[in-house]
Amino acid sequence: NAGVTQTPKFRILKIGQSMTLQCAQDMNHNYMYWYRQDPGMGLKLIYYSVGAGITDKGEVPNGYNVSRSTTEDFPLRLELAAPSQTSVYFCASSYGQGRGETQYFGPGTRLLVL
Amino acid sequence: KQEVTQIPAALSVPEGENLVLNCSFTDSAIYNLQWFRQDPGKGLTSLLLIQSSQREQTSGRLNASLDKSSGRSTLYIAASQPGDSATYLCAVSRSSNTGKLIFGQGTTLQVKP
Repeated sequence: NAGVTQTPKFRILKIGQSMTLQCAQDMNHNYMYWYRQDPGMGLKLIYYSVGAGITDKGEVPNGYNVSRSTTEDFPLRLELAAPSQTSVYFCASSYGQGRGETQYFGPGTRLLVL
Repeated sequence: KQEVTQIPAALSVPEGENLVLNCSFTDSAIYNLQWFRQDPGKGLTSLLLIQSSQREQTSGRLNASLDKSSGRSTLYIAASQPGDSATYLCAVSRSSNTGKLIFGQGTTLQVKP
């Protein structure tokens, strides 16, 4: 199993550009999450999904959108990038709801908005 | 609103010492608490998960305890090694329906040979 994979590893965006961060998992997990981590800080939840076709906002959803058309994939879309979105983005997944709450994380995408 | 705090922010110890990392949370209505390890430039690796009904979990040289009523958890590392150097984060979940985690800021541990 590859676990949770994320692409790209690093990206530089100009203010106002858009991009999609890709996340995929091959563990047949129902639950998937997007977090961001600012320097010296813990992780903050952006969006999450409890299954295909179901998504909901986390703590810091503004400026982002997600979709979950399959169990495996959970892309994060940034529209009109701003310097405040400079961060490291982590995708995670878990079985959820009594089957196993341990979250497995991808290696992260480092995003710089200039 | 749930807040998770980890003190100290950084810790440096000589190899072989036993050490304790602290995590506190403001709302005792949690579903579980997880400890993670993060190496520089890497993702998070789950170390231990404690359900709200449990008092502790052990894995090798690691032991995590949970006191819900006082809003505290500790991660005990026995006989520390240089390879234990990393940032340790704790996170709490309020619901099994969503699994959403609230993270602390982390404690960066350096174990000196």
